[in-house]
Parts: sequence; structure tokens; C-alpha cells
Amino acid sequence: GAVVSQHPSWVICKSGTSVKIECRSLDFQATTMFWYRQFPKQSLMLMATSNEGSKATYEQGVEKDKFLINHASLTLSTLTVTSAHPEDSSFYICRLRNEQFFGPGTRLTVL
Amino acid sequence: GNSVTQMEGPVTLSEEAFLTINCTYTATGYPSLFWYVQYPGEGLQLLLKATKADDKGSNKGFEATYRKETTSFHLEKGSVQVSDSAVYFCALSEAGGGNKLTFGTGTQLKVEL
Repeated sequence: GAVVSQHPSWVICKSGTSVKIECRSLDFQATTMFWYRQFPKQSLMLMATSNEGSKATYEQGVEKDKFLINHASLTLSTLTVTSAHPEDSSFYICRLRNEQFFGPGTRLTVL
Repeated sequence: GNSVTQMEGPVTLSEEAFLTINCTYTATGYPSLFWYVQYPGEGLQLLLKATKADDKGSNKGFEATYRKETTSFHLEKGSVQVSDSAVYFCALSEAGGGNKLTFGTGTQLKVEL
């Protein structure tokens, strides 16, 4: 069965609204999770490393105030896209520390 | 910094043809190397991995050998099927790099009857 779940699997929102994406580890206690984004027909780009109980570590060029990450428990990390705009439309994917376990992804479309 | 370079797609093959998808990398130290597959509308699945030089990863008829001397990790399959149609990503994880993965741009494979 699935090891990592994401919710929602897809979301459509209006420009200017905020969207929260959840990533749950179903079988493991995850002190670290990774968040990626994938544009259509492109590769995965690491956005940030989510650390349980502490601040996330963002990759260069990723706005931490726009992409808020909260890792409040060992099984849940959330990514909130604040004041979303059409250019934020993408496929957002989380991953556990183990390279084998990726979430199924969340497709965000901002109108 | 680390980087992964893959051959551009799409690659179109007939069923039962031989597949090679080239992957080369740049990294400091001794990375682990991975191939992932993404089927249409789905998330990434780990296909195979190799953690040290000369290791061969294999799964579902696919295989790739870690070649340190040529910094390559080419994916091969002797006889592809229509069900192998997907996007394939080569990736590396640098030792001591916090398990971060660096991905190639992906290669789309289309297998036709």
C-alpha cells in the first residue's frame, strides 16, 4: 500500500487565494520531508527540506514567505502556497527521506 | 554543484526493441544514482538504484551500471513493451548531502505496437 499520501490530489483556485497541501507519512515517522515542484514536461525541482519541529530549509530562489512549510508532527508536513498566481500552477510532490517514497503529487491550477 | 544530464526525448520505439537512455552526472564525492519512472498522471516510482562504482541496479527487466570512469548511469532494457511508455528520470544523491536528490530533465519513452 501507499507509504506517502498527499491531499488534495488536485486543486483549482482563484488568483490571490492561498492553498494548503498536506503530505502524510503513513508507515514511518518522518523527521525530514522534501517538497518538489514539477512544471509540465519538466524535471522535479527541490523547493525545500521540511524538518519536524523546526524551520524548513529553502533552496535558493524559493520564496519562503510565499511557500510556507509546516512540519508539526512526525507524520505530517504541509505546504501552503500563499497569494497564489497563475505562474504557481504546477505539480507539487513531497518525499520522505528514503529515496523510494514519493507522494502521488498535487496538481495546482491557479486561474 | 551537482547536475544530471539525460538524453532528450521523446524516444519512440517499437515493441520488443532495445532501449538505451543515456545519463551522465557531475558530482563531488561518490553519489548514489537512481532511475525513476513516472507513468502518465502518476507520481514517481523508484525503478532501480546503485550506490557505488560498478554496481548494477536492475528491476523489471531494466538495468543500469554505475560507471565512475565515464560518470554515467545509462538505462537499458532488452525488449520494451507498450506498458513501459512513461517518463524516465535519472537522479543522484550525494553522500553527506542530506539525501537531497538532483534530477535530470527526464526522457519520455513511447513504445508502439
